[in-house]
Amino acid sequence: DTEVTQTPKHLVMGMTNKKSLKCEQHMGHRAMYWYKQKAKKPPELMFVYSYEKLSINESVPSRFSPECPNSSLLNLHLHALQPEDSALYLCASSQGTDFSNQPQHFGDGTRLSIL
Amino acid sequence: KQEVTQIPAALSVPEGENLVLNCSFTDSAIYNLQWFRQDPGKGLTSLLLIQSSQREQTSGRLNASLDKSSGRSTLYIAASQPGDSATYLCAALKTSYDKVIFGPGTSLSVIP
Repeated sequence: DTEVTQTPKHLVMGMTNKKSLKCEQHMGHRAMYWYKQKAKKPPELMFVYSYEKLSINESVPSRFSPECPNSSLLNLHLHALQPEDSALYLCASSQGTDFSNQPQHFGDGTRLSIL
Repeated sequence: KQEVTQIPAALSVPEGENLVLNCSFTDSAIYNLQWFRQDPGKGLTSLLLIQSSQREQTSGRLNASLDKSSGRSTLYIAASQPGDSATYLCAALKTSYDKVIFGPGTSLSVIP
């Protein structure tokens, strides 16, 4: 069992829908991350939060909106997505304020399909 | 720009064999390198993290080495088991708030 919990595990939505992905960790980690992974490709970093503040935005389209309500929770709000946004969305966390010397712990991801 | 490659892309071995997975990176100014495994449809599991000041890390049957000067890291798996079948990814990490770069992965299949 993973220590990073992501919900839902699967999500199917239309291009006009609004939905949110949720991520939770109770390891006291202060850095949290969103990745996007297409089939048979490595994960691509989207956002990094450090101490609940957005520290990295990898030029992600505005239809993806991250939110970190507290140190244990990370949300990814979705609106007006495109079919090419279908992917596995992974959340990760690590101790400290950056991910340089601490291993990242990943959730099992949300499999997102856009119709 | 940092690029990370992994060789081979896929590997199939009989159970019990020792094997080596390779990871290469173009920018030697990395702070550390992490090895992960990913089972189909699952997230990533951290295996080993080697800091730039270290040469290797060991955990059970796994041993990872790092040679910054040559831009290479290897993951050695001893006495492979069918449960080791997964995709193995390396990731080069930098200091400060910079991008973590993953390699494309090696898909390992251990045949009973």
